[in-house]
Amino acid sequence: GQNIDQPTEMTATEGAIVQINCTYQTSGFNGLFWYQQHAGEAPTFLSYNVLDGLEEKGRFSSFLSRSKGYSYLLLKELQMKDSASYLCAVMDSNYQLIWGAGTKLIIKP
Amino acid sequence: EAQVTQNPRYLITVTGKKLTVTCSQNMNHEYMSWYRQDPGLGLRQIYYSMNVEVTDKGDVPEGYKVSRKEKRNFPLILESPSPNQTSLYFCASSLDRENTEAFFGQGTRLTVV
Repeated sequence: GQNIDQPTEMTATEGAIVQINCTYQTSGFNGLFWYQQHAGEAPTFLSYNVLDGLEEKGRFSSFLSRSKGYSYLLLKELQMKDSASYLCAVMDSNYQLIWGAGTKLIIKP
Repeated sequence: EAQVTQNPRYLITVTGKKLTVTCSQNMNHEYMSWYRQDPGLGLRQIYYSMNVEVTDKGDVPEGYKVSRKEKRNFPLILESPSPNQTSLYFCASSLDRENTEAFFGQGTRLTVV
């Protein structure tokens, strides 16, 4: 079966750095996505990786290792507004998105 | 402003009473889909549409119907809602199926009693 695993919840301190991991087992691979979802709101796109390596976008970076079935989202200089759930999703060989359950990130002052 | 609009945002209904959740996008996207989101589970796709008059089942289509008569609209129909369809529903659109970024509507929180 297809599976996406990410931690259920993480806590970090304002101004610090946090890494949210995602491991996956899917039928084929056409890219990995990270979305941010504030409580009660719609998911919004953060990043897309299809090749191995690190993609940096401001305070957020996303890393992919296809051979290990592994990705992480790195958030630097954490702000209170970063408190949200972070969803990892993989596009399989049929271009279907398989979603993880999300990681709830709690930022403390 | 580019957006996906869902209505209603909140709905409480009774078992068996047909309902429709509307979804409209103004970005001329070809690909649209419906998801449900339940606690502890990832988003699960209900139905998707690759273009006008082309719809297909996702992972959890039972109890739902959709139509795509126009490019911008993709309504979700529950002919006879049941309590296990209580959930948070999202409509999403993207340029095409392979496109990297999906745009989501604001969500519809449905309670079936």
